[in-house]
Amino acid sequence: KAGVTQTPRYLIKTRGQQVTLSCSPISGHRSVSWYQQTPGQGLQFLFEYFSETQRNKGNFPGRFSGRQFSNSRSEMNVSTLELGDSALYLCASSLGQGEEGELFFGEGSRLTVL
Amino acid sequence: AQKVTQAQTEISVVEKEDVTLDCVYETRDTTYYLFWYKQPPSGELVFLIRRNSFDEQNEISGRYSWNFQKSTSSFNFTITASQVVDSAVYFCAVGNNFNKFYFGSGTKLNVKP
Repeated sequence: KAGVTQTPRYLIKTRGQQVTLSCSPISGHRSVSWYQQTPGQGLQFLFEYFSETQRNKGNFPGRFSGRQFSNSRSEMNVSTLELGDSALYLCASSLGQGEEGELFFGEGSRLTVL
Repeated sequence: AQKVTQAQTEISVVEKEDVTLDCVYETRDTTYYLFWYKQPPSGELVFLIRRNSFDEQNEISGRYSWNFQKSTSSFNFTITASQVVDSAVYFCAVGNNFNKFYFGSGTKLNVKP
């Protein structure tokens, strides 16, 4: 069974640009969550999607957005990049129904903003 | 507010020693889930255990064991007879039905041969 796949694994952008990250969940999983990991702030919840609907959102500015497609694949977008957006962005998938809240994480997309 | 505190930033032990990683959580949810994840240098978070808030049974899995005490809001993790391969950053997290997880800052475990 394939795990959670994130692309790209590494990318470098400059301030003001935008970036789109992609996540393919484990087959059969309908929930996709996104987390930002930085040395200073640790792991912080960005948002969660279930059946193409955003169910939960963390405390990030509107520059951070996401969406989920009918095949459960998800993308997140960050517009007008700032230096502080440099981080490891982790995607996690789960069945997403009640107690099946076990998250399976991908290897992450490491974003560097120059 | 929901919060997880892992007071131990970094722990170093010698192989075969036992080590306990502490986790204290705060949550307003009446039903919640507690997790431990391991993050090796590759970056991927590896699931170790999930515990429901209504199940205070302790659990043992090989060299790993977990002690959940609702009265003190703690969910501690013990590795018995540690091995070099256990070296990683370990995260404790509290989550709800909608997969909104709050992670602690992590404890870096160094196991020296």
